[in-house]
Amino acid sequence: AQTVTQSQPEMSVQEAETVTLSCTYDTSESDYYLFWYKQPPSRQMILVIRQEAYKQQNATENRFSVNFQKAAKSFSLKISDSQLGDAAMYFCAYRWGGANSKLTFGKGITLSVRP
Amino acid sequence: AAGVIQSPRHLIKEKRETATLKCYPIPRHDTVYWYQQGPGQDPQFLISFYEKMQSDKGSIPDRFSAQQFSDYHSELNMSSLELGDSALYFCASSLHLAGNGETQYFGPGTRLLVL
Repeated sequence: AQTVTQSQPEMSVQEAETVTLSCTYDTSESDYYLFWYKQPPSRQMILVIRQEAYKQQNATENRFSVNFQKAAKSFSLKISDSQLGDAAMYFCAYRWGGANSKLTFGKGITLSVRP
Repeated sequence: AAGVIQSPRHLIKEKRETATLKCYPIPRHDTVYWYQQGPGQDPQFLISFYEKMQSDKGSIPDRFSAQQFSDYHSELNMSSLELGDSALYFCASSLHLAGNGETQYFGPGTRLLVL
């Protein structure tokens, strides 16, 4: 069974600084997708970024980028120039490459941003 | 852009009552997923539908049932409600792609409180 592990329950970053959120996963599949979702206090689940396992290039979306290490099964999220609005719960998620497959989430990490 | 619509947004029920949650996917999306997120927990997959057929099933209690209709909206029916069913219920939708690259987009969730 696929598992997703986020070992850090909480992190804090100073506004305008950079922070990295860690995620590891376990799978025997070669075709899969990885995601980071943000859940602010409103509890809406917002897609931050996604990575296809077959792509060697790390995904980037504005201030958000990932460090995807396939051999190590590691998928960390880097947030640059942190803003107060980045404060939220962040979930790492895995989806097998099969059509219509479900998301498996990690336990999440609470990120706070200090002004 | 249109998003996933869920109704109602909040629901309060007594134990042993029934509840029906509705989900309207993003236009042209043909796949719907249901997730349950308990307090302080990560979302857990319940069930999914593609083209009105059940696609996958997770940890959904036998007291729950769901279906997808011809207009692709979906309903989650919950009977004999228990206190432990109190949670945030998310619906997500995606467009089935031949390359299996679909991303799931989440609705705002329905907050169910069972008293």
